[in-house]
Amino acid sequence: GAVVSQHPSWVICKSGTSVKIECRSLDFQATTMFWYRQFPKQSLMLMATSNEGSKATYEQGVEKDKFLINHASLTLSTLTVTSAHPEDSSFYICSAVTGSSQPQHFGDGTRLSIL
Amino acid sequence: DAKTTQPTSMDCAEGRAANLPCNHSTISGNEYVYWYRQIHSQGPQYIIHGLKNNETNEMASLIITEDRKSSTLILPHATLRDTAVYYCIVRVADSNYQLIWGAGTKLIIKP
Repeated sequence: GAVVSQHPSWVICKSGTSVKIECRSLDFQATTMFWYRQFPKQSLMLMATSNEGSKATYEQGVEKDKFLINHASLTLSTLTVTSAHPEDSSFYICSAVTGSSQPQHFGDGTRLSIL
Repeated sequence: DAKTTQPTSMDCAEGRAANLPCNHSTISGNEYVYWYRQIHSQGPQYIIHGLKNNETNEMASLIITEDRKSSTLILPHATLRDTAVYYCIVRVADSNYQLIWGAGTKLIIKP
């Protein structure tokens, strides 16, 4: 149980395009979903916390207009990287949780490469 | 949330038990200890968590000292597929679910 699916697994696109990443909880309803970014040989860095039906809470230094998060249902959250540039190239990972004290369950990540 | 300290890297022979230590000397009474691992180029995988008592599941055992200032994750029979970075995280189980990720321990299982 507690499976989180993330799509796509990897994407390569030209600078200036927008990229949407989906995160789905397959067998449970997630009260909260998280979006992380991980650069090579570094730990995960939280970008934003998303609750179903409300606006996401962004971490300091993360541009909310660049990284659009939509959490329309208890099983789906999307991250859209708008007008992506090479410096946005990274490994993006989502996670989902059902309630307090419960562990976060993670997707397999999306490797984004901007040319 | 309390800070954790883990060794940078460890080696373990395949088939032996891997014991990964974690120090969390400033842990509060309502903070849980969580363990995750991340295999190269994959998302983190939840392993186990606990508050006071030792815990065991199909993946591992978690031993928490009586004063709760340290813990040990035990993989009873390590395999090559257990090679990963292991993260020990402490956090309060409330509405703020954030996990603060340190550098973790790079565990290498050797044949």
